[in-house]
Amino acid sequence: KQEVTQIPAALSVPEGENLVLNCSFTDSAIYNLQWFRQDPGKGLTSLLLIQSSQREQTSGRLNASLDKSSGRSTLYIAASQPGDSATYLCAVRPWNTNAGKSTFGDGTTLTVKP
Amino acid sequence: KAGVTQTPRYLIKTRGQQVTLSCSPISGHRSVSWYQQTPGQGLQFLFEYFSETQRNKGNFPGRFSGRQFSNSRSEMNVSTLELGDSALYLCASSPIQGSDTQYFGPGTRLTVL
Repeated sequence: KQEVTQIPAALSVPEGENLVLNCSFTDSAIYNLQWFRQDPGKGLTSLLLIQSSQREQTSGRLNASLDKSSGRSTLYIAASQPGDSATYLCAVRPWNTNAGKSTFGDGTTLTVKP
Repeated sequence: KAGVTQTPRYLIKTRGQQVTLSCSPISGHRSVSWYQQTPGQGLQFLFEYFSETQRNKGNFPGRFSGRQFSNSRSEMNVSTLELGDSALYLCASSPIQGSDTQYFGPGTRLTVL
């Protein structure tokens, strides 16, 4: 059974700092890995999707990497802003399954202080 | 284009009651998936509906059921509520079945007393 762990559970940084969020998974036979953002009282917003054949994806100040062999993914946020404060979740989709079968981590709650 | 809407946003029920949650997908989207989010279990997949048919189901008891209407709107029903059913229920829509690109609604916060 796939297990997804996100450490730390919470992180507080001053504005402008670069930071890394971690996601680890136990079964490397994955189809893709996706990073989401969840704001209080709102649903999830997809940030980046990395296919199993890819090593990284970038969008603006965000960069996500994937290392299947070690079962790890990182989300790098450059020049953090207070608006980045949210909970970040990673989701791993196993091979040959529907997206709904993805396993989610519990998330890292990020607070960026002005 | 309007996003995914869920009603009601908040709900309080007592044990043993049943509840129905509603989800309206983005216009043109035919797939609706439901998820349960709790502090202890995290985000877990309940089921996916596409063209009025349940296509995939997670590991939840039969008390959890759903349906999808011809206009793609979906309802989720939980019967004989238990305290452990207290959670944020999220629905997500996508244009096709099994898509990785899902658009989530704000959720319905269900509290069971």
